[in-house]
Amino acid sequence: GQSLEQPSEVTAVEGAIVQINCTYQTSGFYGLSWYQQHDGGAPTFLSYNALDGLEETGRFSSFLSRSDSYGYLLLQELQMKDSASYFCAVIEGSGNTPLVFGKGTRLSVIA
Amino acid sequence: GAGVSQSPSNKVTEKGKDVELRCDPISGHTALYWYRQRLGQGLEFLIYFQGNSAPDKSGLPSDRFSAERTGESVSTLTIQRTQQEDSAVYLCASSLLQIYSGNTIYFGEGSWLTVV
Repeated sequence: GQSLEQPSEVTAVEGAIVQINCTYQTSGFYGLSWYQQHDGGAPTFLSYNALDGLEETGRFSSFLSRSDSYGYLLLQELQMKDSASYFCAVIEGSGNTPLVFGKGTRLSVIA
Repeated sequence: GAGVSQSPSNKVTEKGKDVELRCDPISGHTALYWYRQRLGQGLEFLIYFQGNSAPDKSGLPSDRFSAERTGESVSTLTIQRTQQEDSAVYLCASSLLQIYSGNTIYFGEGSWLTVV
């Protein structure tokens, strides 16, 4: 089996930096992904980490530590439009399995 | 098509009725996934297709749920004798190849099901 833990809610100020953590337990681990979902919308892909380290894509970065079973999503220069739910998701075992999602972190960006 | 298309976008049905939800994946995508998301909750895996076969049906909540895929394209998720607990948005997603290659999966807008 597998489980993922991430905070349920985070609030941050416009222009600031926020980090959303994700810890996981799986029977095998292949990679960690992050998805963004606005209210009423479809989840959209943000990032994927298979190796330890930091992946940067514009204002968003994602980090993975396989030895710690831990990753995070870093959002910089927060904008109001970043208010959404953010899900971490693992690919486990051989990698030939569907993504297993965490329960999501609801980010509220305030002025 | 340009994206994953799902229909109907909204469905209200009476308890005990059967419903069919349709998913048209992105053209050429070999893998197709169904997830369920209850209001304010995370995504719950239901079933996964590689081509027309379903190697992983472990997430189907009960024998009232079934799914098929034909022509390595369209998929239908059928819920028989719907119950109020089935009320949720049903999300379909597709990916070009299997997940292990690090491919992104692309989600449709979902079918919002309300059982009354």
